[in-house]
This record gives sequence, structure tokens and C-alpha cells, in this order.
Amino acid sequence: SQQGEEDPQALSIQEGENATMNCSYKTSINNLQWYRQNSGRGLVHLILIRSNEREKHSGRLRVTLDTSKKSSSLLITASRAADTASYFCATDNDYKLSFGAGTTVTVRA
Amino acid sequence: GAVVSQHPSWVICKSGTSVKIECRSLDFQATTMFWYRQFPKQSLMLMATSNEGSKATYEQGVEKDKFLINHASLTLSTLTVTSAHPEDSSFYICSARDPGRAYTEAFFGQGTRLTVV
Repeated sequence: SQQGEEDPQALSIQEGENATMNCSYKTSINNLQWYRQNSGRGLVHLILIRSNEREKHSGRLRVTLDTSKKSSSLLITASRAADTASYFCATDNDYKLSFGAGTTVTVRA
Repeated sequence: GAVVSQHPSWVICKSGTSVKIECRSLDFQATTMFWYRQFPKQSLMLMATSNEGSKATYEQGVEKDKFLINHASLTLSTLTVTSAHPEDSSFYICSARDPGRAYTEAFFGQGTRLTVV
């Protein structure tokens, strides 16, 4: 079942700008993960943040998690054209992943 | 990272026929695999959890007789869409998680675009 809501649904930015997207969820989680999907392809794992962590970095990605508000954010810094994709948050509870609605990011050259 | 291979990447079939989609984990033994369905510009909806050597667990609202899942080995799960109809046209994606690394990332197949005509 779909657990999370993401906003915005779509985001268009200039190359070099930062992109921020948010995810809210409803139930308790073991961890929250972010995935990227290029058009018509499978999903690629980006970053995982555990329920006892508040912030995590990986390259140009920064993820925050606020379990009290049941929300997470993904920041992509210094965006590139290759970052154009859909981004999904997924909550991990009982070994099953439940995906948010996704944010479509378009990076203009 | 681990690789999950899904085949075919696309298939067109006539209404009333059945289509089988394969999902293989290439470098770890996946006791559990997951099948998702994705409509255009929408999220992934979990259809079922495929368990090696036992029956699949279907999510509410998913017809188990329509979407047959077989997980006969630790590296292969198959999804068969039986008596396909145009409304079954969709993007189907499988995923697997390494049981030796619980609660870590999932690895996804490339997806299968099914078009029923």
C-alpha cells in the first residue's frame, strides 16, 4: 500500500541550483529510503536513513528525517542535467517498502 | 552493488493470452522478492511478496488467480499475468533484498512494460 506523500509533485530547476523534495508518512518505520527512477526504468537506491538518525549525506545528496513529524526531505545540491528523474521516498516497515507518490525533477541546462 | 535482472523489458500480447515475467537475483540468494505495478506518472504499488518455496502473499485487492507468482528457487521469481486484458497493461517491476543484510536497500529489476492489445 502507498504510505507516503511527496511534494512537490514536480520541480523544474536550472542546472547548478539545488532541488529539495519532501516526504511525509503515516506509520512507524525501521528506516526511510530514497530512490531515483529514470523514465521507463527500474529504481536505483540513493540513500537510506535509519529511524534513529536525523541527517545523512552521500555525495551531493542530503537527507533529513524527523520521526516526530513523520517527514523526510531530500536535497540535491548543484544539480546536473543527469539528475533529471523521478524521486521516490520509501518507508521500510516489516521488510516491505511502501513508496510515496514521487517528485519529478527536471534539470534545465 | 547487487544486481536483479528482469526479463523481458517489454512485451506486447493479445488479449486473453498469458505472459510470464522473470526476475532473477544474480549475486545473492533472495528468499523474498517483491512485485510492483506502476501506472504512468504514478508510484509503485506493491502487488505481492514472493517467498521461496511457499505461496506468495498478495496485497489487498490483487487477484491471485490473475497474477500467478512462483518462486521455485532462491534466485528466480516469476509473475504470470493470466488471460491478460488491456487494463492489465502497465509497468511491472520486481525487487529483491539481500537476506544477509536485513533492512538495507532493495535492488530493482529494469521493469517490464506490458501492453495488451
